Amino acid sequence: SQQGEEDPQALSIQEGENATMNCSYKTSINNLQWYRQNSGRGLVHLILIRSNEREKHSGRLRVTLDTSKKSSSLLITASRAADTASYFCATPTSGTYKYIFGTGTRLKVLA
Amino acid sequence: DAGVIQSPRHEVTEMGQEVTLRCKPISGHNSLFWYRQTMMRGLELLIYFNNNVPIDDSGMPEDRFSAKMPNASFSTLKIQPSEPRDSAVYFCASSLEAGRADTQYFGPGTRLTVL
Repeated sequence: SQQGEEDPQALSIQEGENATMNCSYKTSINNLQWYRQNSGRGLVHLILIRSNEREKHSGRLRVTLDTSKKSSSLLITASRAADTASYFCATPTSGTYKYIFGTGTRLKVLA
Repeated sequence: DAGVIQSPRHEVTEMGQEVTLRCKPISGHNSLFWYRQTMMRGLELLIYFNNNVPIDDSGMPEDRFSAKMPNASFSTLKIQPSEPRDSAVYFCASSLEAGRADTQYFGPGTRLTVL
């Protein structure tokens, strides 16, 4: 089963609006990563948040982590058409190096 | 740096044929990962190398799949014989170390179609 599952599966918004994606996971983690995948391309790392952090910012990205609820959210502010992509969370499996990727949220930003 | 390089970008082959996918990781990275992505199963880790040594191949689906890393700058994933259900996008990724908090850099992928 998936360690991380994103919600919603798909999201369509207008340019300029904010987009929020959520990730839920099952086991304790010490960090969580978010990646973006443009159509037909490989995944690109966006941000890493550690378990002792509650919030992290990078440009228009804001990531939160709630370890008590085993969930994370990715907020993209003032979205642009170029933000159209799939977004994945990745969590390490307990005691190993393996990162398990979630099912992804397909974001479409309409110009 | 050119990033992770994969070849070919697209491969179409017939069932039963041998397929070899190639990957050149980022120079200086010690860890290399092979993933497979399909609509049904998402992104799956197939095998992981650290310092050219296969550490965990538990994700390799069958004996038809094999992977090698003869040196720090080259890895191959081979499928022999190929089957239609092997059709997927195969990604190679590398990272500095295989630590728990390490960024993985993905290649552009190889889209494999087995007819």
